[in-house]
Amino acid sequence: QSVLTQPPSASGTPGQRVTISCSGSSSNIGSSIVNWYQQLPGTAPKLLIYINDQRPSGVPDRFSGSKSGTSASLAISGLQSEDEADYYCAAWDASLNGRVFGGGTKLTVL
Amino acid sequence: EVQLVESGGGLVQPGGSLRLSCAASGFTFSDHHMDWVRQAPGKGLEWVGLIRNKADSHTTEYAASVKGRFTMSRDDSKNSLYLQMNSLKIEDTAIYYCARVPRGKGVDYWGQGTLVTVSP
Repeated sequence: QSVLTQPPSASGTPGQRVTISCSGSSSNIGSSIVNWYQQLPGTAPKLLIYINDQRPSGVPDRFSGSKSGTSASLAISGLQSEDEADYYCAAWDASLNGRVFGGGTKLTVL
Repeated sequence: EVQLVESGGGLVQPGGSLRLSCAASGFTFSDHHMDWVRQAPGKGLEWVGLIRNKADSHTTEYAASVKGRFTMSRDDSKNSLYLQMNSLKIEDTAIYYCARVPRGKGVDYWGQGTLVTVSP
């Protein structure tokens, strides 16, 4: 089991808004920044959101992140077929003294 | 353009050793912390370890699953990161990614990965 908890799957139709949750604890999300990564099939992960809610240049504003307490969320609006991928959250865990990842959420665009 | 290129993966028997390398370019390597992250076939991402920059004395942190078996090092003069893996187990089979870690921002750039297969 992963230290950060994500739903294993999510789905939506084109144009819809979907949200992926990431639940942790006071030793990780509660005291650290959260990043989100997108991994398209057969490729390396790519940074999607950093420091909880910041988008790197080149990432569409359809993607947004938020954090509250010991949980974080990734929202994707105006869903597109090319958004079909695995999504991971990550944070530093002060108790483990290491980086922790969520188990990943497979997003399917119906 | 930031580039991270891993090499050194391959097939190794259980109990064997392997050394991975990561060549960095397009940024000031010596300023950045660096991670190794792995992904077993069909599984999620697993953090392996961190090596800090020179300002933070190149100190390291490791996941419990590899501590005592894996060693991270770096050569800032060669813009290179290394992962020495000893006493390899079947469960170490994975794609190994090196990743850049700007201070206070978590992992931003990832390499394309190198596959390590541990099998009899």
